[in-house]
Amino acid sequence: EAGVAQSPRYKIIEKRQSVAFWCNPISGHATLYWYQQILGQGPKLLIQFQNNGVVDDSQLPKDRFSAERLKGVDSTLKIQPAKLEDSAVYLCASSLGVSALYGYTFGSGTRLTVV
Amino acid sequence: KNEVEQSPQNLTAQEGEFITINCSYSVGISALHWLQQHPGGGIVSLFMLSSGKKKHGRLIATINIQEKHSSLHITASHPRDSAVYICAADRPANAGGTSYGKLTFGQGTILTVHP
Repeated sequence: EAGVAQSPRYKIIEKRQSVAFWCNPISGHATLYWYQQILGQGPKLLIQFQNNGVVDDSQLPKDRFSAERLKGVDSTLKIQPAKLEDSAVYLCASSLGVSALYGYTFGSGTRLTVV
Repeated sequence: KNEVEQSPQNLTAQEGEFITINCSYSVGISALHWLQQHPGGGIVSLFMLSSGKKKHGRLIATINIQEKHSSLHITASHPRDSAVYICAADRPANAGGTSYGKLTFGQGTILTVHP
């Protein structure tokens, strides 16, 4: 079984520029998550999709962050414009369902540096 | 106070030592996850616990639901065990206990095992 694919692995941009990250979850996994992990901290949920619908985006800074999951498969997370404090690892994870019975599979993450 | 607290934050051990990492949580959970994160960002799921104890190779995870406490043990530690270990509480979305897959992460424990 292929894992959760994320790209790019690394990205360096200047503040006020835009950036987009891509995630391809495990085939058949209905639930997809985007997390932000700042250095030295645990991951923080940004947005959760169930198929192509948003379940939770309460911690997504909607003035600059947006995410979509068209067709309920791949997902993109965009930051426009980026700020210095957005420097972090952005992790994508997927799960078969929303029950605690299902585990999670994480991607390798995209490390964003904003300079 | 964080809802999920880990201790210690940093742990250094000599190869062969028995290691314990602790996790306390203050929220109701559907399950408790132990995750391993290597440099570069990728996260691997080690255990998902809702009660008792689980063992996989040299790794053992226990949970005490009444005390809201979990431990991860590594027997006969090895330098390749060096990583960040994160516990995460899988929280129900409502009082009925139905999980919406909301993970709340601890801050992580940085483990370094020296040869």
